Amino acid sequence: GEDVEQSLFLSVREGDSSVINCTYTDSSSTYLYWYKQEPGAGLQLLTYIFSNMDMKQDQRLTVLLNKKDKHLSLRIADTQTGDSAIYFCAESPGSSNTGKLIFGQGTTLQVKP
Amino acid sequence: DTAVSQTPKYLVTQMGNDKSIKCEQNLGHDTMYWYKQDSKKFLKIMFSYNNKELIINETVPNRFSPKSPDKAHLNLHINSLELGDSAVYFCASSQGLAGPGEQYFGPGTRLTVT
Repeated sequence: GEDVEQSLFLSVREGDSSVINCTYTDSSSTYLYWYKQEPGAGLQLLTYIFSNMDMKQDQRLTVLLNKKDKHLSLRIADTQTGDSAIYFCAESPGSSNTGKLIFGQGTTLQVKP
Repeated sequence: DTAVSQTPKYLVTQMGNDKSIKCEQNLGHDTMYWYKQDSKKFLKIMFSYNNKELIINETVPNRFSPKSPDKAHLNLHINSLELGDSAVYFCASSQGLAGPGEQYFGPGTRLTVT
């Protein structure tokens, strides 16, 4: 089946690291994504990782993939108030070549000054 | 320059009415999508088109009918609106279907059915 799960809420202090976790079910997923949604706006791609990689770093963002446990995480270093948003994990199911993305329910990140 | 635009941004209407939401992208992309985001922020794909051809048609009531007059446009028509149709509808586009194609999202249309 195709299912993606995330915790709903995370609160951190400015300057701390944030870690947002995600689990997925489709072991044949080729790419896994992190999207960010700011209030009143559409989603914006933050980063993605190919399924044969364990880690990807992009400035303050670090993505870790544990394919055995089907676990994906997004670490944001030195979290700023501007990082407050909803973060969505998504997978592209390996069974389809349709551009289809399965999204988690989103993690609301609250950054306190 | 707006990459993916939707009109209207807000739509308030009564049950039983028929309404349309328009989407346009100026990125030259081949593929366009409609997503529904419910009140709990859960985002689910409804339809996708590639080069004006329907590719994805998830389990969506047939009151919803997408139309793609050309590659740059994907409109969503909804007949006999119901209370449960209230949601934010997002249009998105990407270059093709394969690979790590980033999907570019529009700003959303908040539909409220009373």
